[in-house]
Amino acid sequence: GESVGLHLPTLSVQEGDNSIINCAYSNSASDYFIWYKQESGKGPQFIIDIRSNMDKRQGQRVTVLLNKTVKHLSLQIAATQPGDSAVYFCAEIPLTGRRALTFGSGTRLQVQP
Amino acid sequence: SAVISQKPSRDICQRGTSLTIQCQVDSQVTMMFWYRQQPGQSLTLIATANQGSEATYESGFVIDKFPISRPNLTFSTLTVSNMSPEDSSIYLCSVGGFTDTQYFGPGTRLTVL
Repeated sequence: GESVGLHLPTLSVQEGDNSIINCAYSNSASDYFIWYKQESGKGPQFIIDIRSNMDKRQGQRVTVLLNKTVKHLSLQIAATQPGDSAVYFCAEIPLTGRRALTFGSGTRLQVQP
Repeated sequence: SAVISQKPSRDICQRGTSLTIQCQVDSQVTMMFWYRQQPGQSLTLIATANQGSEATYESGFVIDKFPISRPNLTFSTLTVSNMSPEDSSIYLCSVGGFTDTQYFGPGTRLTVL
């Protein structure tokens, strides 16, 4: 399939290690955030979301942290597996106006076996 | 989450022609959106497809170039008109409801020669 994110920053980790992917968002009025995973040739896949009234949310092997003071979002993946290799995007929705997503620039995660 | 399909999955078109992309959802959804993902880039919102009324376009996108239809709560089309090589991208539809979470289709990979 086509390559996604040819010129994106890349995070390379060893299989079994924990991964941390960071995202700086721009709109202090955003109240909802999502992390997506996009594999080559596929559409973005929902991973986890968080609302602005929370600072941490956990899923299966994933944790999202929100720091509204510095407008920073992170995705932590525990025990990273080769199947986690993909491009990861954060997205935000502002509190007011249309409820559509604004995407960050993305990070490529490469998991070394 | 809803099952979303797009047709065609990919196409190669000649400049000056038009292509209509279909997005079908297996259940009724409140919101449908169309995004563009240029090679190596993140996703950019083209428009919100409104059921029974004209789509709401983002800055930089116009109805004459990207006409959108949404005849019901499960189906939408996006047409890329008078194509040029700069229109070569992945076009993605997404669906959402009252929770703000959006799920994406597999995308349509368009190459314009």
